[in-house]
Amino acid sequence: DAGVIQSPRHEVTEMGQEVTLRCKPISGHNSLFWYRQTMMRGLELLIYFNNNVPIDDSGMPEDRFSAKMPNASFSTLKIQPSEPRDSAVYFCASSFWGLSSYEQYFGPGTRLTVT
Amino acid sequence: EDQVTQSPEALRLQEGESSSLNCSYTVSGLRGLFWYRQDPGKGPEFLFTLYSAGEEKEKERLKATLTKKESFLHITAPKPEDSATYLCAVQTLARAGGSYIPTFGRGTSLIVHP
Repeated sequence: DAGVIQSPRHEVTEMGQEVTLRCKPISGHNSLFWYRQTMMRGLELLIYFNNNVPIDDSGMPEDRFSAKMPNASFSTLKIQPSEPRDSAVYFCASSFWGLSSYEQYFGPGTRLTVT
Repeated sequence: EDQVTQSPEALRLQEGESSSLNCSYTVSGLRGLFWYRQDPGKGPEFLFTLYSAGEEKEKERLKATLTKKESFLHITAPKPEDSATYLCAVQTLARAGGSYIPTFGRGTSLIVHP
């Protein structure tokens, strides 16, 4: 398996522009998570999906952030408009959610820089 | 609110010098504790899951243990390739939706000098 795939790996954009991050989870996994990692705040959960349905988006910082999962093999995280404080590494992770706990498999991340 | 605290923040060891990393937690209803390794520029990589106090898991030079309030990641005779950030996460009942989600600690940055 190729693992979790994220694109782009690096994104540099100007303040006010729209940014779209993409994720392809591991085939067969039914849960998908979006995280943001910064030196100041560590790894923060933004939103997660079970079976393509958003379950908890309370970690999404503002209305400027939105996430979709139109099918089991694709998800997007969009920031519109972007701001310099959104600069961070964004990770997507997937797992198989069953009756007990489960480990997550992370993608390589997208490093976002907003100038 | 669930809390996960890792210590130390940073640790420097000489090759072969064994040590332990700590992860203490305060959660309402633990459903599992995870250890991950993160190399620079990469996503976290799963190492272990522990479910109940007294449980231990081993992988090469790493051994993870769990008590009711904390977990330890023991590193025996470390090598330079063990240098990485080690993250601890506890899994509890989600705020919504009835699913289980993890809360991550800030990590311990380990450097092993040859």
